[in-house]
Amino acid sequence: GAGVSQTPSNKVTEKGKYVELRCDPISGHTALYWYRQSLGQGPEFLIYFQGTGAADDSGLPNDRFFAVRPEGSVSTLKIQRTERGDSAVYLCASSSGGIQETQYFGPGTRLLVL
Amino acid sequence: DAKTTQPNSMESNEEEPVHLPCNHSTISGTDYIHWYRQLPSQGPEYVIHGLTSNVNNRMASLAIAEDRKSSTLILHRATLRDAAVYYCILRRYAGGTSYGKLTFGQGTILTVHP
Repeated sequence: GAGVSQTPSNKVTEKGKYVELRCDPISGHTALYWYRQSLGQGPEFLIYFQGTGAADDSGLPNDRFFAVRPEGSVSTLKIQRTERGDSAVYLCASSSGGIQETQYFGPGTRLLVL
Repeated sequence: DAKTTQPNSMESNEEEPVHLPCNHSTISGTDYIHWYRQLPSQGPEYVIHGLTSNVNNRMASLAIAEDRKSSTLILHRATLRDAAVYYCILRRYAGGTSYGKLTFGQGTILTVHP
């Protein structure tokens, strides 16, 4: 079946611009996660959705970052007034939940802020 | 979450077994041990997980020390496709909550030589 998909695969933008990154989870998965991965580092948690609501947004670095999941499926990560330090790979994962859940990751969106 | 410690890198030859260690001396009784790996330019993928007993699946085996303060991921016959970063992650069960953010460390870079 289809896995997690993310669009775009690459995004180049200029400092100060607004960007939206999209995640299509595996059909039926209620949990959705966003992570950010800088070069040479492990992924870093940003936000977790259970259904439509953000159950934990403690990983969002500041108020320029926002994410939504209005219908409990597709999610969009929004970054306002981008900065060069936002350059990273943004990963999305989904799961069916439960303590022994397996998270299925998408290929990521590589964001470059010039 | 409790912390894990892994070697920065390891090397193996193709078709030989590989033992990837992970120390987690502050593990609690409700922490599950999960392993994910990340192939180049891809999102992480689940490998295996366990609580107390050793576990086997089609990808690998997980050997857990009796005191649970360490574990070892075993790839029985390494292939070139197994070259990846391997992450050992502890995930805490919290009273029925299906909350499962993953806290990644630096992981172990596995190089497989032909």
